[in-house]
Amino acid sequence: EVQLVQSGAEVKKPGESLKISCKGSGYSFTSYWIGWVRQMPGKGLEWMGIIYPGDSDTRYSPSFQGQVTISADKSISTAYLQWSSLKASDTAMYYCARGVFTVVMDIWGQGTMVTVSS
Amino acid sequence: EIVLTQSPATLSLSPGERATLSCRASQSVSSYLAWYQQKPGQAPRLLIYDASNRATGIPARFSGSGSGTDFTLTISSLEPEDFAVYYCQQRSNWPGPFGQGTKLEIK
Repeated sequence: EVQLVQSGAEVKKPGESLKISCKGSGYSFTSYWIGWVRQMPGKGLEWMGIIYPGDSDTRYSPSFQGQVTISADKSISTAYLQWSSLKASDTAMYYCARGVFTVVMDIWGQGTMVTVSS
Repeated sequence: EIVLTQSPATLSLSPGERATLSCRASQSVSSYLAWYQQKPGQAPRLLIYDASNRATGIPARFSGSGSGTDFTLTISSLEPEDFAVYYCQQRSNWPGPFGQGTKLEIK
């Protein structure tokens, strides 16, 4: 079965760092893009960025460039999304998804809820 | 940046009725438009890609049409499980934003 399994919910304080993960299985991890999508409470879907694990080609949405870092470790079929200094406004659900035709996302992880509160 | 505008924001229909959802792009995206469904507490699910191609496992009651700037998602006869939020998304250029969503609710 093709699936993406994300790491569990996180509760952090402003200024803390965080790295969440997305592990792929059931397919060739290096042959598909992995995208990250933010969904703030009660709001719509926002692209953050995408990475091609085969060669680590990474693209960021302008809104998130410099705010987060996307990476991947192909040896363990895992992609990451990390923050160096969280803000309260980073509170959201974060989804990873597999990209066909780059940004058409056919398989989604279950989501990781990140709560940032003092 | 291409902007996608979905209408209506909310659509109230009854099971068995036909649903027509619209997505308009601020400039041509050719046929590079996808539709997703999201139910409360769940991840989005790909329904349609490249305007009219159903994704794997998607029932035939879902169909997509359009090209250029105007696109439509049609659900021919609503089932109870179809009531959800629907998003469109273009892949003509990066970072192709999602539309703001249409909430399909039970009347």
